[in-house]
Amino acid sequence: DAGITQSPRHKVTETGTPVTLRCHQTENHRYMYWYRQDPGHGLRLIHYSYGVKDTDKGEVSDGYSVSRSKTEDFLLTLESATSSQTSVYFCAISEGGLAGSETQYFGPGTRLLVL
Amino acid sequence: AQKVTQAQTEISVVEKEDVTLDCVYETRDTTYYLFWYKQPPSGELVFLIRRNSFDEQNEISGRYSWNFQKSTSSFNFTITASQVVDSAVYFCALATSGTYKYIFGTGTRLKVLA
Repeated sequence: DAGITQSPRHKVTETGTPVTLRCHQTENHRYMYWYRQDPGHGLRLIHYSYGVKDTDKGEVSDGYSVSRSKTEDFLLTLESATSSQTSVYFCAISEGGLAGSETQYFGPGTRLLVL
Repeated sequence: AQKVTQAQTEISVVEKEDVTLDCVYETRDTTYYLFWYKQPPSGELVFLIRRNSFDEQNEISGRYSWNFQKSTSSFNFTITASQVVDSAVYFCALATSGTYKYIFGTGTRLKVLA
């Protein structure tokens, strides 16, 4: 199994509060991703990182920001949580070779409930 | 635009039956990659297979097999002699060359009944 951990694994928060989710990897992979999983939508990419301090937006990036100050850590921040951000959040990693060809390996997920 | 369609929302079978999960994709790129992932009730996503657009050979891994047909833009997944442990949500995904963005289907929930 790829060495990917996510914290916290479960979180309940209130609308309007900031929330930060952490993804940590021990594989020294260059690429890291944040997805959200919602019923009827599969997984959708929020943001991804292609190196330290290098990030780009995915298809559902509004309301989210990310940071990567170290290879092993990728943080996802909800600046002001809304109920529509209630979801399961997955982190993924890939080595960083030929774009599109690589397998992404996923962390265990974080369940976030915004009341 | 790229798109992945898994039209089967939920399938129920009795143990030992064979079952096929359908995946239809859309892309204008000639180089692309297809993936299947399994999400058991515990929630993690488990990688099953990766296939590139230039390799149309079918693949078999134990009770699992995959049928890739470019002519119909399909990458179907068959489980032979299904078992209760196969109960999960299965996702098909597409990635085109030059992008790190996967496009996932909405998943098919497979229930294998004892």
